[in-house]
Amino acid sequence: AQSVSQHNHHVILSEAASLELGCNYSYGGTVNLFWYVQYPGQHLQLLLKYFSGDPLVKGIKGFEAEFIKSKFSFNLRKPSVQWSDTAEYFCAVTAIAYGNNRLAFGKGNQVVVIP
Amino acid sequence: GAGVSQSPRYKVAKRGQDVALRCDPISGHVSLFWYQQALGQGPEFLTYFQNEAQLDKSGLPSDRFFAERPEGSVSTLKIQRTQQEDSAVYLCASSLGDRGTGEQFFGPGTRLTVL
Repeated sequence: AQSVSQHNHHVILSEAASLELGCNYSYGGTVNLFWYVQYPGQHLQLLLKYFSGDPLVKGIKGFEAEFIKSKFSFNLRKPSVQWSDTAEYFCAVTAIAYGNNRLAFGKGNQVVVIP
Repeated sequence: GAGVSQSPRYKVAKRGQDVALRCDPISGHVSLFWYQQALGQGPEFLTYFQNEAQLDKSGLPSDRFFAERPEGSVSTLKIQRTQQEDSAVYLCASSLGDRGTGEQFFGPGTRLTVL
């Protein structure tokens, strides 16, 4: 079945540690890829997106993600996290095979950064 | 307003009651989406409007769910004869255009609890 997979639902790490969250999707054809973040008590907001061009995408707050087409992956990274990065992170995809406009989300990663 | 707003923020309903959830998208946004987010899961697509036209309702889980956007701005999601499995956060999102590369801006959601 077509899906978006995120592993390690709960991640706990210390400030200044590096973070990498994996995202794999199973949609064929052209895809657009997104990472959304939800800080405690706040709305879902866009962290970064990829739809063409350089597969290494830089987003807000020092986050970046790399699209590897051969691996159907779009992993999120941050070299040094801060306490304020505590949030839930969702990978999402739009794909022609899925209706092109609607987002298909993974289950999310709950990230807790310990000061 | 500056962002997507939803009301009510919280709704408690007795099983069998009808509920109506409102979404005010960002002014001028063509596309409007409804998603359902169960506890511990990522949001799942329910339905999509382009202006007043409901172009995709394939995600609505049953015929008890109905959505409308009669004037191409405010949208209402109605759930008839609510069931316990309808308990979830209902998210509304809007985007400026009608293409899958556009950012979707999310509202705060309505948390529905069916007793």
